[in-house]
Amino acid sequence: GENVEQHPSTLSVQEGDSAVIKCTYSDSASNYFPWYKQELGKRPQLIIDIRSNVGEKKDQRIAVTLNKTAKHFSLHITETQPEDSAVYFCAASRTGYSSASKIIFGSGTRLSIRP
Amino acid sequence: DAEITQSPRHKITETGRQVTLACHQTWNHNNMFWYRQDLGHGLRLIHYSYGVHDTNKGEVSDGYSVSRSNTEDLPLTLESAASSQTSVYFCASRLTNADEQFFGPGTRLTVL
Repeated sequence: GENVEQHPSTLSVQEGDSAVIKCTYSDSASNYFPWYKQELGKRPQLIIDIRSNVGEKKDQRIAVTLNKTAKHFSLHITETQPEDSAVYFCAASRTGYSSASKIIFGSGTRLSIRP
Repeated sequence: DAEITQSPRHKITETGRQVTLACHQTWNHNNMFWYRQDLGHGLRLIHYSYGVHDTNKGEVSDGYSVSRSNTEDLPLTLESAASSQTSVYFCASRLTNADEQFFGPGTRLTVL
């Protein structure tokens, strides 16, 4: 069945440095790749997403890249700040093929920013 | 404002009891989902629905059931609660053919 693998499970970086989280997916028909951030005790919230017709997308300090051939996608956070500490989930989904679709989530990466 | 809510937010129950967790959304989304979140396992899909009277099993559906009698609600029932079902449960909804999925605030369930 569909599967999304995410690495690393934990990541600690110095404040101001960059953080990279990588994911792979198994369903070659996936065409939508969202990233969610979950702060402690809160619900997951969408921070950025990318579609299969785009190789890279940026939003301020956050960027996502997608390699459809290799079925890899990554989240890049530059100039990390304390408020970036959270659990990050990658996900993959099909959209547009039918009226129904479900999102498959990776297992999450706990990012800690060291002062 | 449109929103997605869950109730109760916290629940303690005993092994063997039937428990129902409520999920209500006011966006008129056709797609609704239930996940459980446990340390080291991320978000695992329990059941989902693509519309009224439609329900489907996710990857961890044993011991759970859902029903969809209207667009707004997808209650999750634990038929006979087990300690292994102690978890945080998130409901989510997504508009058919749209992309962003919105999560409810979560329900922390403890089965003693």
